Parts: sequence; structure tokens; C-alpha cells
Amino acid sequence: DGGITQSPKYLFRKEGQNVTLSCEQNLNHDAMYWYRQDPGQGLRLIYYSQIVNDFQKGDIAEGYSVSREKKESFPLTVTSAQKNPTAFYLCASRNRGADTEAFFGQGTRLTVV
Amino acid sequence: DQQVKQNSPSLSVQEGRISILNCDYTNSMFDYFLWYKKYPAEGPTFLISISSIKDKNEDGRFTVFLNKSAKHLSLHIVPSQPGDSAVYFCAAGGDFGNEKLTFGTGTRLTIIP
Repeated sequence: DGGITQSPKYLFRKEGQNVTLSCEQNLNHDAMYWYRQDPGQGLRLIYYSQIVNDFQKGDIAEGYSVSREKKESFPLTVTSAQKNPTAFYLCASRNRGADTEAFFGQGTRLTVV
Repeated sequence: DQQVKQNSPSLSVQEGRISILNCDYTNSMFDYFLWYKKYPAEGPTFLISISSIKDKNEDGRFTVFLNKSAKHLSLHIVPSQPGDSAVYFCAAGGDFGNEKLTFGTGTRLTIIP
């Protein structure tokens, strides 16, 4: 089945450690996205990529890094510079162009302990 | 600067009645808009979209209306059902062909049996 997969579903990190969240899609989509959800804050865009080997900062990129070496994969690293990393992280992908829907993964809940 | 706003954090509607969720945007260059439904700890699922060349799009119980002059869109659900209880997000994209997709803060819809 085609889809977008995030792993792991739950992740615990000690303060000061970097952690990488995985996002893989087999939908042949060019564009991929990372969002963060906090209570009452909606979905805030961290990074997005329009094509392989290209990515753009979203609205809250500080403390995060990404790579897009393959079309299928868009991993997100939460670095120790991110002040409040505890959140629900969502990855999405879509075809390029107007009026196309984005498909979301099931999310990763990151908790800093 | 929040370019996509959902000013009602919550809405309660009687089962069988119409639910109307609203969304405002500030960027006149957005050329398509989408609505998503989200349950806790899951990824959002796509409901319906509309491009800026239309003012209405209908799909079953869901209708989206777009008022470009007011920079306002709304999602109508009729009749409302208990399974519609969720958080609803509007999203906008298409600024100069950029693939950035910006989401609002969400509205929690509760359908009262």
C-alpha cells in the first residue's frame, strides 16, 4: 500500500541530546514537509522540501535540521539547540503544483526527559 | 505573523444541524486552500479543497466556500454527525508557485447527540 510512514511513534530524549525522526513515503511525491503540533498552536511548519537535495526553512526552523538525499526520505533532526522540543511531530508529502492534497504520517510524539 | 487564522478555538453543534467552520488568511497570493480533520495522536486526513478560481466546492456532506475579496473561507458540514467531532484545520498554499503549505490553529468541533 502507498503511504507515508513515520517512526518511531514515541521517542524519549535526554536534554542535550540530538535525535532524528524518520519519514518515508512511497507515493512518488516531490514535496515533503515537517510540522510541529503544540496544544492551541495548530500545525507550525518547521522545514519543507520541494525536490531532492533542496529544502527550505519554515516558520520555526531554529534548532532543527533536515536532509533530502532521496525522494522517498526526509528525516528531521531535533538538536540540543531546540529549547522546547517536547511536541507532536508530523510529516507530510504531496505532489508539486496547485490544488493537490498533502498526505500525513501518523506522527511522532517526542518527549524530553 | 499568522497568515492563516481560525479565530474560533471550539464549536459545539447539535447532531443533524449544520456546522460552519471559518478561516481567514492575509496573503492574497494564496491560490488554493484545503481542509483537514484530525483526531488526537493521529495525522490529519484530507477533507476537501478549493482553488482560487472557484467560490464553492462540494463533496457529499462537506462544502467549502471561498470569498477572495474578504480573504475568508468556510467549511459547511451538513448534516453533522457524532463522528465529525474532531479538530479541523484549514491550510493555504500556492504563493508564487512555492510549495509551502501553511496551516491555521484549528477549531475543535464537538457534535452533541
